[in-house]
This record gives sequence, C-alpha cells and structure tokens, in this order.
Amino acid sequence: GAGVSQTPSNKVTEKGKYVELRCDPISGHTALYWYRQSLGQGPEFLIYFQGTGAADDSGLPNDRFFAVRPEGSVSTLKIQRTERGDSAVYLCASHAGGSSEAFFGQGTRLTVV
Amino acid sequence: ELKVEQNPLFLSMQEGKNYTIYCNYSTTSDRLYWYRQDPGKSLESLFVLLSNGAVKQEGRLMASLDTKARLSTLHITAAVHDLSATYFCAVDMGYGNNRLAFGKGNQVVVIP
Repeated sequence: GAGVSQTPSNKVTEKGKYVELRCDPISGHTALYWYRQSLGQGPEFLIYFQGTGAADDSGLPNDRFFAVRPEGSVSTLKIQRTERGDSAVYLCASHAGGSSEAFFGQGTRLTVV
Repeated sequence: ELKVEQNPLFLSMQEGKNYTIYCNYSTTSDRLYWYRQDPGKSLESLFVLLSNGAVKQEGRLMASLDTKARLSTLHITAAVHDLSATYFCAVDMGYGNNRLAFGKGNQVVVIP
C-alpha cells in the first residue's frame, strides 16, 4: 500500500481481555516501530523490529505486552489482561533506513473499560 | 536518558503574524524531526534536520537546528488558520535504530 495501515482504527475492550493490534508497513520498509501516545502526550517508543526480529523491545511497559513480525512485513501488537491504563493510541511507523524519516500510520485508539 | 522539551506547550497565534516555537533536548543527537498532528490524526512528517546549522523551509514553516545548544526552532511566518495543529519535535536517541524520543508537542491555534 501507499502508507502505513493500522487496523482496527478503534478498539473498545473490557478490562482483563486480550487484544491484538495490526500494522501493515510501507512495502519494502524493513524497520518497523510501535509507539504509544497517551492523551496530551507525545508518542513513546515501545518496540522496534528490523526484519522479523525484535531488535529493541526495551520500551514495552511490562510482560503483558508482546509484538511479533513473523514474515518481516505485517506486525501484531498483543496485549494480555488489558488494564484501563493501557488506553491510548497505538501508533505504528515504518522506516526505509538511513537518514529518512519514519512514516506513521493512523493509529489504533484502544479504550479499556 | 534523552529528554525532549517543547515550549510553549500551547500557543494562540493571530493570523498574519510571525511566531517561533522551541525544542530543547538533553543529550547529543545527530537527527531531529518535526511532525505535525491534526486532532484525531496521525503524524505527518515536516522536516528532517541532520546537521548543525541545518535550515529547512516549506511554505510558511522554517526549521533550524543548533546541535551545540541542543535546540531546534520552528518558525511560522504570517500564520494562517490551516497551520492550527500540534507540532512534535522528535530526536534520534542514538541507538543506531532510528528510535525516537518525542516532546509533548506545541499545540498551535491560529485565530483570525
């Protein structure tokens, strides 16, 4: 596709449930990032993939969060036992490498009730 | 840990006037980005600044970088309503993976 695509655009879930958020990066971009943006804040780094491997997952807040990218393109962010504090917009970005900028998707707005 | 501070966090601008918003960061970095975000939308890339003294201009926006002062400015010339948005500064954290640290954003409202 022409840009980074994220689905769903909105997700409302009950506390304690499991959710999956999907990111389809720009074709050919090997680098993929997940960020989380809380209301009124800037995005915060969660995890970075280079190809299929999670090269840097130091931003994941705890072990309820996990992400995969099995074939080096689409990535899924998985959140177990969701808590109200997980409510935020989850942004995915992809990058062509070098000094170019990262391109962000529209985000998934997650609301935990 | 790299910290990015933007100020002012909120700025009301009058149409036709010039304004500057600021981004300071706490440790050395060789890349700085400016993004625009409209309410409910994602981040749109505006500028990538790669070296000390870099200046880039697009329309009414001009961004500059002073790596020695760890400061970037975004100058708005003759503000217009369409420039109302939140502007984020993001700095490469230097891990070699283009991981970015963002500021809280400058929320700009341009009024007639």
